[in-house]
Amino acid sequence: RKEVEQDPGPFNVPEGATVAFNCTYSNSASQSFFWYRQDCRKEPKLLMSVYSSGNEDGRFTAQLNRASQYISLLIRDSKLSDSATYLCVVNPLGGYNKLIFGAGTRLAVHP
Amino acid sequence: DGGITQSPKYLFRKEGQNVTLSCEQNLNHDAMYWYRQDPGQGLRLIYYSQIVNDFQKGDIAEGYSVSREKKESFPLTVTSAQKNPTAFYLCASSSGTRDEQYFGPGTRLTVT
Repeated sequence: RKEVEQDPGPFNVPEGATVAFNCTYSNSASQSFFWYRQDCRKEPKLLMSVYSSGNEDGRFTAQLNRASQYISLLIRDSKLSDSATYLCVVNPLGGYNKLIFGAGTRLAVHP
Repeated sequence: DGGITQSPKYLFRKEGQNVTLSCEQNLNHDAMYWYRQDPGQGLRLIYYSQIVNDFQKGDIAEGYSVSREKKESFPLTVTSAQKNPTAFYLCASSSGTRDEQYFGPGTRLTVT
């Protein structure tokens, strides 16, 4: 089983739609969780951090379910500019340690 | 502006040559990291450094070497021993107070 698993997509949605991505992780003791956004041929950029049960920032909501070991990202009112690959990232130990990256879920928002 | 810079953006080398990728940060972050990304795969950790003059191997360190002589700089050398060096290389850094890592723009290395 992979340490972090994501549905690769692509998710093709119209502008204004609500879309949700799920991500599962294998290490039940994992400390912190992140969603990064990566545009084609660019570096990943931090979208949200999740340290407790969830986090919300504008149209984006992340939720953590420790019992089921999954993290979700909800995007409301999708914009064309949301088209990107969304990376689920887990820090199993916390602090200065390696992050475990999922392979990403691709989102394409169309007019 | 604070940030992480990587150079060059694109690099082409012949097989058998060593090549060094540059990574500099002015965020005053203690920790720095090198990742490799291949198409359709997640990022994989090559090396990381928590403090100056100290570094640890990541998951795929074979064929790579690093140094950390200054807090701001963490260069990566891809040696001729690396069997599949063509990839997108990303440098990141993090502070001592939070887990988030911030990435430079990356270097695309092509070895033929």
